[in-house]
Amino acid sequence: NAGVTQTPKFRVLKTGQSMTLLCAQDMNHEYMYWYRQDPGMGLRLIHYSVGEGTTAKGEVPDGYNVSRLKKQNFLLGLESAAPSQTSVYFCASSQGLYQETQYFGPGTRLLVL
Amino acid sequence: DAKTTQPNSMESNEEEPVHLPCNHSTISGTDYIHWYRQLPSQGPEYVIHGLTSNVNNRMASLAIAEDRKSSTLILHRATLRDAAVYYCILRDGGSSNTGKLIFGQGTTLQVKP
Repeated sequence: NAGVTQTPKFRVLKTGQSMTLLCAQDMNHEYMYWYRQDPGMGLRLIHYSVGEGTTAKGEVPDGYNVSRLKKQNFLLGLESAAPSQTSVYFCASSQGLYQETQYFGPGTRLLVL
Repeated sequence: DAKTTQPNSMESNEEEPVHLPCNHSTISGTDYIHWYRQLPSQGPEYVIHGLTSNVNNRMASLAIAEDRKSSTLILHRATLRDAAVYYCILRDGGSSNTGKLIFGQGTTLQVKP
């Protein structure tokens, strides 16, 4: 099992450009999450999904959109990148709720100039 | 969401036990206490979790106070590889039913040879 994978690993964007981050999991998990982590900070939840075809907003959703068309994939989109979106983005997945472990991907480093 | 309080940093010597404290005075009856750690340049990884009773696994032990307002993660013999940021997290046990993790700033553990 590859677990949770993220594509790309690193990306540089110019302000106003758009891009999509891909998260894939091969564990048949129902729940998937997108977090961002700024330097010296803990992770903050952007959006999450409790099942295929469903998405919901987290703590910091502004400027991002997500889609979960297939159970194994969770896409994070930036329509018009801003320097404030420079961060490391982590995807995670879990099978259940309160007790279930969240498995994290290796992260995508995004730099917006 | 209930919050947790952790010391910003701690130091330990290699091969010695480490006790990482966490306060969560507003914990609700259905909140699980989770610990994750984040090694440098990696995504967080699960360490341990519990509800009321003390828990042990191959990585660590979790000691939960009787009133559940605090807990302690115990690494029995710290190694250099245990140097990481340790997050104490209350798993969303409320009606929102998302299972999302709320990360604080965590405790940065330094392990000295």
